[in-house]
Amino acid sequence: GESVGLHLPTLSVQEGDNSIINCAYSNSASDYFIWYKQESGKGPQFIIDIRSNMDKRQGQRVTVLLNKTVKHLSLQIAATQPGDSAVYFCAEKASGGSYIPTFGRGTSLIVHP
Amino acid sequence: EAGVAQSPRYKIIEKRQSVAFWCNPISGHATLYWYQQILGQGPKLLIQFQNNGVVDDSQLPKDRFSAERLKGVDSTLKIQPAKLEDSAVYLCASSLLSPAGGLREQYFGPGTRLTVT
Repeated sequence: GESVGLHLPTLSVQEGDNSIINCAYSNSASDYFIWYKQESGKGPQFIIDIRSNMDKRQGQRVTVLLNKTVKHLSLQIAATQPGDSAVYFCAEKASGGSYIPTFGRGTSLIVHP
Repeated sequence: EAGVAQSPRYKIIEKRQSVAFWCNPISGHATLYWYQQILGQGPKLLIQFQNNGVVDDSQLPKDRFSAERLKGVDSTLKIQPAKLEDSAVYLCASSLLSPAGGLREQYFGPGTRLTVT
């Protein structure tokens, strides 16, 4: 699969390939990160999260990697399926009293059969 | 388990008119959020409620937007008067009670797509 930053909003992959979606966050005080999937006409859906004291977390077919040194987050999707086609957002939450995640712009993932 | 319900799903109004959106969160979820999502962008928080109290409304344009959650369950978001730049999807989300400094998983509704002409 290809890796792109959020400045390139579309990632096209073939079914079965691995996908990597990248996110650069700005707030060094962020302590919690979430990846969401948003399908057309629906609200965002939680995929996986990671706390700042971790650098990797795995779920079912998804892995999130966190590099705090360069403030970079990535979402890896293994064996991408057509049903994975959606817009993917990373969100960050600052440490302290704020409960609110701040969403990035999003990357559109298109999976070709 | 039923998800977050929102109505209407679509609304078209003229500028300077008023509009209201309704949200019914997941049963038992104390925290409710309203977000504005402009096309091509991520959701932006407008207001957060914990039960029937406002936790954060710092990004709510209070001159035209208002929201309430009188009984700590359903919520309404109102825009009066609407402007062209209010065209967006308005998302409601809910979660279990958030611990201090923490965040619980948010469940989003399908949103209301507002078009202001």
